[in-house]
Amino acid sequence: NAGVTQTPKFRVLKTGQSMTLLCAQDMNHEYMYWYRQDPGMGLRLIHYSVGEGTTAKGEVPDGYNVSRLKKQNFLLGLESAAPSQTSVYFCASSYSFQRGSYNEQFFGPGTRLTVL
Amino acid sequence: GQNIDQPTEMTATEGAIVQINCTYQTSGFNGLFWYQQHAGEAPTFLSYNVLDGLEEKGRFSSFLSRSKGYSYLLLKELQMKDSASYLCAVRVLTGNQFYFGTGTSLTVIP
Repeated sequence: NAGVTQTPKFRVLKTGQSMTLLCAQDMNHEYMYWYRQDPGMGLRLIHYSVGEGTTAKGEVPDGYNVSRLKKQNFLLGLESAAPSQTSVYFCASSYSFQRGSYNEQFFGPGTRLTVL
Repeated sequence: GQNIDQPTEMTATEGAIVQINCTYQTSGFNGLFWYQQHAGEAPTFLSYNVLDGLEEKGRFSSFLSRSKGYSYLLLKELQMKDSASYLCAVRVLTGNQFYFGTGTSLTVIP
């Protein structure tokens, strides 16, 4: 049981390049989330998904796109990277409702992205 | 919108007790969570409150007052490994979304 995994762990991009971050979970969670974490800003929600084939915008969605083609995977795309997108990106997942559970979010290990 | 406030930094002595406060203003409140995050690592779940009162879990306790929009995390018998950032998060009804505070960086000194 790997929990939530993220690929890659580190990446350096040049301004204007594109990339996709992959998140995978093996806990059969319905909900998945992408956050960014910046010093002094805390965790901010970029996009989230309440089920396969669905996505919704969070607090800071501009410059990012997402897809959830399979229940266990949630992809975050940067079409044209900017230095302002330098950050640590965390994926998380949770049940929608599970009796006896707090339905807390479980986090992946993070992806450290630098855009030059 | 959502507004969650917690102190930026705290320092406490090994073996002591420390209380980390969190105040919030949210719509659609559906629970308050505390997470621990060591430097360079992912946040991990510590505690959960949805009703008013105190929840105890070993050395950690968390309190909630919904009418005051206030919570605290109490850490007893502090250990050096408790040096970490502690994140207060409010869950709302829509999409099981969590809104996080900026975190309180706790340093435990000998």
